[in-house]
Amino acid sequence: AQSVTQLDSQVPVFEEAPVELRCNYSSSVSVYLFWYVQYPNQGLQLLLKYLSGSTLVKGINGFEAEFNKSQTSFHLRKPSVHISDTAEYFCAVTLYSGGGADGLTFGKGTHLIIQP
Amino acid sequence: ETGVTQSPTHLIKTRGQQVTLRCSSQSGHNTVSWYQQALGQGPQFIFQYYREEENGRGNFPPRFSGLQFPNYSSELNVNALELDDSALYLCASSPPGVGTEAFFGQGTRLTVV
Repeated sequence: AQSVTQLDSQVPVFEEAPVELRCNYSSSVSVYLFWYVQYPNQGLQLLLKYLSGSTLVKGINGFEAEFNKSQTSFHLRKPSVHISDTAEYFCAVTLYSGGGADGLTFGKGTHLIIQP
Repeated sequence: ETGVTQSPTHLIKTRGQQVTLRCSSQSGHNTVSWYQQALGQGPQFIFQYYREEENGRGNFPPRFSGLQFPNYSSELNVNALELDDSALYLCASSPPGVGTEAFFGQGTRLTVV
């Protein structure tokens, strides 16, 4: 079975500073990787995904992530954060071979707190 | 284009009761999945429906059941509610294809007392 570990439950960052949210996964087979954002009292919105190809993936709102197969990591980065980036961020995987029927396996989330 | 909509947004039930949550998929999406998100946790996969058949299930007991209708809308039914069932229930719909994006609704907040 696959699993996702988000190493930081909470990350405080000053506005306009860079940020990295860490995600490691465990799986015996190939996976697809996703980052979702959840604003208070809302559902989840996809930031970006890695299916194949270039290991550097660019998403919405200036976020990007890099897939590292040897380290089984998919860390999320943004060069300069804004107050509006305050939210909960979830890393998720789904099995490449499952056809999506295995659903998404999520990490526990990282709360990004932007300080003025 | 209408997104994924869920109803109701909130409800309170008593332990032992049964509950039905509803989800309308985004237009063109033939796959719907349900997730349970406990407070402070990531969503947990309950099950997925494709063309009205359950084709994937997470580690949830049989008292969690579902339906998908010909218009691809869906229901989640939970019988014999327990206090630990209190959570945000999220519905997500996806277009055909592997690795496609799951579009989430805003969820139903269920409180079991």
